[in-house]
Amino acid sequence: GAGVSQTPSNKVTEKGKYVELRCDPISGHTALYWYRQSLGQGPEFLIYFQGTGAADDSGLPNDRFFAVRPEGSVSTLKIQRTERGDSAVYLCASSLFHGMETQYFGPGTRLLVL
Amino acid sequence: DAKTTQPPSMDCAEGRAANLPCNHSTISGNEYVYWYRQIHSQGPQYIIHGLKNNETNEMASLIITEDRKSSTLILPHATLRDTAVYYCIVRVFTGGGNKLTFGTGTQLKVEL
Repeated sequence: GAGVSQTPSNKVTEKGKYVELRCDPISGHTALYWYRQSLGQGPEFLIYFQGTGAADDSGLPNDRFFAVRPEGSVSTLKIQRTERGDSAVYLCASSLFHGMETQYFGPGTRLLVL
Repeated sequence: DAKTTQPPSMDCAEGRAANLPCNHSTISGNEYVYWYRQIHSQGPQYIIHGLKNNETNEMASLIITEDRKSSTLILPHATLRDTAVYYCIVRVFTGGGNKLTFGTGTQLKVEL
């Protein structure tokens, strides 16, 4: 079956611009996670959704970052006034419910802020 | 979640067993040991997890020491496609959202 998909696969933007990154989780998965991975580092947690609500957004670095999941499936990560330090791979994962179920990751969106 | 320590890199000959160690000396009794791997330019992939008993699946075996302070992931017959960064993660089941806390992992290179 289809896995987690993310679009775009690559995004180049200029400092100060607004970007949106999309995640399509596995059908039926109610939990959705966003992570960010800088070069040479492991992924870092950003935010977790259970259904439509953000249950844990403790990993969002500042108020320029925001994510939504209005219908409990597709999620969009939004970054305002991008900075060069936002350049990273943004990974999305989903799991069936919550708790200890396996998280399935998408291929990521590579964001480059010039 | 408890911190883990892994060697930054390891090499393995194709066809041989790859044994990847992980130290988690501060692990609590209710924390599980999880292993994920990340092949270059892909998202992380779940491999296996365990609490205190050894576990085996089609991908690997997980050996957890009796005191649970360390564990070893075993790939019994490594292939070139097993070249990846392997992450050892310990996490507690809280019944709510369970984020994964990744370290820097072990870069495993499988060579001919």
